[in-house]
Amino acid sequence: AQTVTQSQPEMSVQEAETVTLSCTYDTSESDYYLFWYKQPPSRQMILVIRQEAYKQQNATENRFSVNFQKAAKSFSLKISDSQLGDAAMYFCAYRSDNDMRFGAGTRLTVKP
Amino acid sequence: NAGVTQTPKFQVLKTGQSMTLQCAQDMNHEYMSWYRQDPGMGLRLIHYSVGAGITDQGEVPNGYNVSRSTTEDFPLRLLSAAPSQTSVYFCASSYSGTHNEQFFGPGTRLTVL
Repeated sequence: AQTVTQSQPEMSVQEAETVTLSCTYDTSESDYYLFWYKQPPSRQMILVIRQEAYKQQNATENRFSVNFQKAAKSFSLKISDSQLGDAAMYFCAYRSDNDMRFGAGTRLTVKP
Repeated sequence: NAGVTQTPKFQVLKTGQSMTLQCAQDMNHEYMSWYRQDPGMGLRLIHYSVGAGITDQGEVPNGYNVSRSTTEDFPLRLLSAAPSQTSVYFCASSYSGTHNEQFFGPGTRLTVL
């Protein structure tokens, strides 16, 4: 079965600094997508960024970028110029066909 | 557009009671799904549907039933609630296709005593 592992239960970053959240996954599928979701205290799940497994180029969305290493099955999220509003739980997710798996999450704290 | 709506927002049940969590979307999405979120475990897929009349099991389906009679609605039924079903439940929807973003509802916090 596919699994997603986030090894950092909590991370902290100073405002305006850069932080990287780690994610590894295990799958035997060749066609899949990877996602990072943000969950603020409001509990609403918000898509941050997505990456197709077939694309070599790492996805970027403004201050958010990923480092996708397909052979290593690694999918880390880099947040640049961290802002107070970035404080939230971040979930890494894997989707193949109709199956979707989430990691346990990383709680990010942003210090002013 | 209201997006994905869920009712109720909070619910307390006694062991053995039944109830239905409601989910509706107004985006004409083919794919709808239910997840549960437990502390330290992220979200886990309970059931999903790829269209009206079609449902299938996810990672943790035991104790839950679903049906999809319309494109818009995807209710989740607990037939006999157990304390192990205490959780936050999220409904989500998307267009068909692995690459499509799933839109999540606001969640329902369920406590089973």
